[in-house]
Amino acid sequence: AQKVTQAQTEISVVEKEDVTLDCVYETRDTTYYLFWYKQPPSGELVFLIRRNSFDEQNEISGRYSWNFQKSTSSFNFTITASQVVDSAVYFCALSEWTTDSWGKFQFGAGTQVVVTP
Amino acid sequence: GAGVSQSPSNKVTEKGKDVELRCDPISGHTALYWYRQSLGQGLEFLIYFQGNSAPDKSGLPSDRFSAERTGGSVSTLTIQRTQQEDSAVYLCASSLALAPDTQYFGPGTRLTVL
Repeated sequence: AQKVTQAQTEISVVEKEDVTLDCVYETRDTTYYLFWYKQPPSGELVFLIRRNSFDEQNEISGRYSWNFQKSTSSFNFTITASQVVDSAVYFCALSEWTTDSWGKFQFGAGTQVVVTP
Repeated sequence: GAGVSQSPSNKVTEKGKDVELRCDPISGHTALYWYRQSLGQGLEFLIYFQGNSAPDKSGLPSDRFSAERTGGSVSTLTIQRTQQEDSAVYLCASSLALAPDTQYFGPGTRLTVL
């Protein structure tokens, strides 16, 4: 079963518009971690943020902000005043505690963001 | 410092041939992961190594796929008798410890099976 759902396949915006990427996850654990990664056209995934399940404080970092809501199992990501360089595929990922270890990440399918001038 | 490196960056091979893909993790990172990303798709977990523990091979798609990690550092992913459906970008990542520690990714190896 898909544990991380990114329903938006592609989002196209004009530069300076805001973009919000949705991520919905599924877990029975009370302790887990969520991540966002960016994959620009060059292909290398770049780490953006990590959040643990006990920290629901939303964060802003420059033009990026994250909205973590456990009640709705969502970890959404917003780019404010988008720029062409923001064009990339963005992945949401979940890490859960398995039988005896944290185990592997489970990635969503990704959302392609296209920012045009 | 140096990031995760992978070689080769591109590999073209003929169906039925064996290939080896290499990953050099960040120095000091004890956990190493392999993923596969098919064109336009998300990341498919293949295998991870953590220290001296037995690797988690649960994501390997068939027995044609294997991986080893020597000396707790460099890892090699081997695909035997390649098939066209093996064509993808193979990504390696390392982390200081096992997840949920942040994984840092290499640039990937693009494998094309003709």
